[in-house]
Amino acid sequence: AAGVIQSPRHLIKEKRETATLKCYPIPRHDTVYWYQQGPGQDPQFLISFYEKMQSDKGSIPDRFSAQQFSDYHSELNMSSLELGDSALYFCASSSTGSWREQYFGPGTRLTVT
Amino acid sequence: AQSVTQLGSHVSVSEGALVLLRCNYSSSVPPYLFWYVQYPNQGLQLLLKYTTGATLVKGINGFEAEFKKSETSFHLTKPSAHMSDAAEYFCAVINNNDMRFGAGTRLTVKP
Repeated sequence: AAGVIQSPRHLIKEKRETATLKCYPIPRHDTVYWYQQGPGQDPQFLISFYEKMQSDKGSIPDRFSAQQFSDYHSELNMSSLELGDSALYFCASSSTGSWREQYFGPGTRLTVT
Repeated sequence: AQSVTQLGSHVSVSEGALVLLRCNYSSSVPPYLFWYVQYPNQGLQLLLKYTTGATLVKGINGFEAEFKKSETSFHLTKPSAHMSDAAEYFCAVINNNDMRFGAGTRLTVKP
């Protein structure tokens, strides 16, 4: 069965640069969630989108923005990168905004040097 | 507000022994509870979840968990550990539109 796809899987950036992470949900899923997992930390919810509209907002920094496109894929844009942004970024998807049925992608590991 | 507490950041068991990973939650309303497993450099894989109905939930790879409202617990168990069970395990709770994870428990399985 098709799963959530994230690209790239690994990304290395320097401080103050920008990064864009992409998430392709499971087919027919219309809801996307973004999480950040720092080294040795538990995942923290950042933001979610349902039917291309922001639905819930967690601890997403102001330097980050995200959107969901007409094909339901989502992009997380990160600007003015800091060393502390180094983390594993997960995307999850579900249908009809159901938090209970999230399927997680493999994650994008971002390293900021 | 809700939170998840996983007792023990590291648990070590021998192969074939019982696995018990503890999770307690706090929630103002009946929660939805989850256990995820994470292998090194990989994503989160759902082991099992409790939403409604039977309080004993069976998941993949022989794991199960029991929702105990009176104890606000959702401990994860497996009768016999296998080497392939070595991983990080996260308990999570959803209440309304908010998913919170515990700090995780690293399970080590000794031969």
